[in-house]
Amino acid sequence: GAGVSQTPSNKVTEKGKYVELRCDPISGHTALYWYRQSLGQGPEFLIYFQGTGAADDSGLPNDRFFAVRPEGSVSTLKIQRTERGDSAVYLCASSVDSSGANVLTFGAGSRLTVL
Amino acid sequence: DAKTTQPPSMDCAEGRAANLPCNHSTISGNEYVYWYRQIHSQGPQYIIHGLKNNETNEMASLIITEDRKSSTLILPHATLRDTAVYYCIVTFMEYGNKLVFGAGTILRVKS
Repeated sequence: GAGVSQTPSNKVTEKGKYVELRCDPISGHTALYWYRQSLGQGPEFLIYFQGTGAADDSGLPNDRFFAVRPEGSVSTLKIQRTERGDSAVYLCASSVDSSGANVLTFGAGSRLTVL
Repeated sequence: DAKTTQPPSMDCAEGRAANLPCNHSTISGNEYVYWYRQIHSQGPQYIIHGLKNNETNEMASLIITEDRKSSTLILPHATLRDTAVYYCIVTFMEYGNKLVFGAGTILRVKS
């Protein structure tokens, strides 16, 4: 597609529920990043994929968070046993590859609200 | 930590140049300066980057001081659509390096 697509754009869930957020990167982009943004703050790095493998998951806050990219294209961020503190906008970005300039193209984000 | 310091907010008159400063006094020799911006309810958007020479593209100009401890992003003719949060980021240009965002500068362009 022309840009990075994220679905759903908004998700409201109850505490303790399981949530999946999807990212469809720009076709041909091998690098994919997930960030999380709380109100009034800059985006915070979560995880980075090069191809199918998670090359850096140092930003995942705990083991309730997990992400996959099984075919090297679409990625899913999975959050188990959601907590109110998980409420944020989850941003996905992709780039042609990770060896060149850090020019990331971001999606519009998925806003997660945990009640 | 983000390794950069930016003013929390700035105002600019429509049609005038917007000059956004950024301090990065601990920048190392092979770290680049990147600028992104984020318009309300959208994801961040790449603007420009540079190492030590001044850079210009269709969106903006980037002026980096000779000692590389600070830089200025210049929007030559600001419009209302340039109202956004502007992030200055210093990072290595290398495999898989992640961007570390600070709080940025809220630029308000006023008519």
